[in-house]
Amino acid sequence: AQRVTQPEKLLSVFKGAPVELKCNYSYSGSPELFWYVQYSRQRLQLLLRHISRESIKGFTADLNKGETSFHLKKPFAQEEDSAMYYCALSPPAAGNKLTFGGGTRVLVKP
Amino acid sequence: GAVVSQHPSRVICKSGTSVKIECRSLDFQATTMFWYRQFPKQSLMLMATSNEGSKATYEQGVEKDKFLINHASLTLSTLTVTSAHPEDSSFYICSASYSGSFYNEQFFGPGTRLTVL
Repeated sequence: AQRVTQPEKLLSVFKGAPVELKCNYSYSGSPELFWYVQYSRQRLQLLLRHISRESIKGFTADLNKGETSFHLKKPFAQEEDSAMYYCALSPPAAGNKLTFGGGTRVLVKP
Repeated sequence: GAVVSQHPSRVICKSGTSVKIECRSLDFQATTMFWYRQFPKQSLMLMATSNEGSKATYEQGVEKDKFLINHASLTLSTLTVTSAHPEDSSFYICSASYSGSFYNEQFFGPGTRLTVL
């Protein structure tokens, strides 16, 4: 069965500093990978997906199949980036079912 | 667009009663809806997947008779927690997707907090 691990429960950085959220997965095939974000008092929403190779709100994530990682990075964190971030995996042909990691809370201090 | 609502947002019930939670897609037809459970300070755990007009597919360890899921229309799915007990207290979140969206993206509802006394 697939598994998603986010080793950091909390990341605290100062505004303007880089931030990197780690995500490692275990799956034998080639899954789709996502980052979801939940801002305070808001619902979970998609931040980005690896297949799009996009940068959203300054965040990027690189899929490293060799290391089975999908770390999320932003070079200059902003206070509005403070939120809960979840890495998620969806195996191919799984009807887009998602397996979530435990989540990382990011706190950006002024 | 792609808004999902849940009702109620909070519910408190007595042990032994049943509670129904509704999940609606407001501006799209959801071919698939998902139900998740989230314990405090933990991640979302998928409970079941439901497709309109067919029986829900439950994840391993989720009791079908305990958590009844109905997906009678393309805009509504319901989760009924039958004979609720304190250990069923949790945050229940639904999501919905539609065919034709990019990679069948899931759109999440705001969640329902269930407290069983």
